Amino acid sequence: KAGVTQTPRYLIKTRGQQVTLSCSPISGHRSVSWYQQTPGQGLQFLFEYFSETQRNKGNFPGRFSGRQFSNSRSEMNVSTLELGDSALYLCASSLDWGNTEAFFGQGTRLTVV
Amino acid sequence: KQEVTQIPAALSVPEGENLVLNCSFTDSAIYNLQWFRQDPGKGLTSLLLIQSSQREQTSGRLNASLDKSSGRSTLYIAASQPGDSATYLCAVRRIQGAQKLVFGQGTRLTINP
Repeated sequence: KAGVTQTPRYLIKTRGQQVTLSCSPISGHRSVSWYQQTPGQGLQFLFEYFSETQRNKGNFPGRFSGRQFSNSRSEMNVSTLELGDSALYLCASSLDWGNTEAFFGQGTRLTVV
Repeated sequence: KQEVTQIPAALSVPEGENLVLNCSFTDSAIYNLQWFRQDPGKGLTSLLLIQSSQREQTSGRLNASLDKSSGRSTLYIAASQPGDSATYLCAVRRIQGAQKLVFGQGTRLTINP
């Protein structure tokens, strides 16, 4: 059974550009969440999706957005990149909403120069 | 607001020792608590999931306990090995509001051969 797949694994972008990250959850899982990990702030919640609906959003500016497709795959987009957006972006997949175990992908390492 | 604290931030022990990692949380209204392992530059690997109604879970050399009333969890690693070296993170899943995982800052564990 395939795990959570995130693409690409590494990205280098220039300030002001935009980027799209992709996450394919475990087959049959309907919930996807995104987290940003930095050395200073640790793991911070970005947003969560269930059945194509954004259920909640973390405390990030509007430059961060996401969506979930009918096959549960999810994308997140960051527009007008800033140096501070450099981080490891992690996607978590869960079978259902609420009380379920979370499984993470390998992450996408974004570097903004 | 849920806050999760992990002590110690770093731990170095010789191979073969048994050790305990600590996690505390401020709000007992949780669905579950998960322990994860993260190797440098990698994603999170789920180690153990404890439901709020459970007291402990075991997997191989790992044993995690949960005392929801006192807001504490411990991860016990028996007969440590160099391959156990990694950062260990605990996370709680809230019942109220966003069903996100709230993470501690992690304990960086080094097992010396």
